[in-house]
Amino acid sequence: GQQVMQIPQYQHVQEGEDFTTYCNSSTTLSNIQWYKQRPGGHPVFLIQLVKSGEVKKQKRLTFQFGEAKKNSSLHITATQTTDVGTYFCAGMDNYGQNFVFGPGTRLSVLP
Amino acid sequence: DAGVTQSPTHLIKTRGQQVTLRCSPKSGHDTVSWYQQALGQGPQFIFQYYEEEERQRGNFPDRFSGHQFPNYSSELNVNALLLGDSALYLCASSLGGVLFAGELFFGEGSRLTVL
Repeated sequence: GQQVMQIPQYQHVQEGEDFTTYCNSSTTLSNIQWYKQRPGGHPVFLIQLVKSGEVKKQKRLTFQFGEAKKNSSLHITATQTTDVGTYFCAGMDNYGQNFVFGPGTRLSVLP
Repeated sequence: DAGVTQSPTHLIKTRGQQVTLRCSPKSGHDTVSWYQQALGQGPQFIFQYYEEEERQRGNFPDRFSGHQFPNYSSELNVNALLLGDSALYLCASSLGGVLFAGELFFGEGSRLTVL
């Protein structure tokens, strides 16, 4: 079945440094979503990417969807302590109708 | 506008027991999906309910069953609990059933501990 991987598993950064997490799927995706889960909280939707090579920005966050629609990345510029949490990608392949979540990247930001 | 609500928030059961978790979707949403999230892992899809029927199912045994009511609320039932069933159970609501691949709105979850 479809598998979604994320690297790194953990990332510790100093406040103000940049952060990037990468998501890779074993199959071609029809679309991909990103979620953020704060410690003790629930996943909250950030964005959805649909088109090959798509790039979307939300303030300090930049999301990319690979040309082959099998990978994606989330980049945060100048991290803040409010960025702490686990970032999940969730991919939907061309056959399934549910999102498969990656294991997440846990971000720690040191003030 | 109420978001997704789940109950109970925490519960403790012993092996072999049965548990029922409840979810009310966001107002206007008609589709409910259930996910299991073990500690330190990503959510794993259990199943999805739309129009009171199970439409999609993940790789979970038949001990996991569910139901959707006419008001779109849903229940997740787990029989013959195992220690490995200890997890956060998340309910996510959306609109449009299996034909819609939009944003999932998650509830706060039900934390199940099996002793």
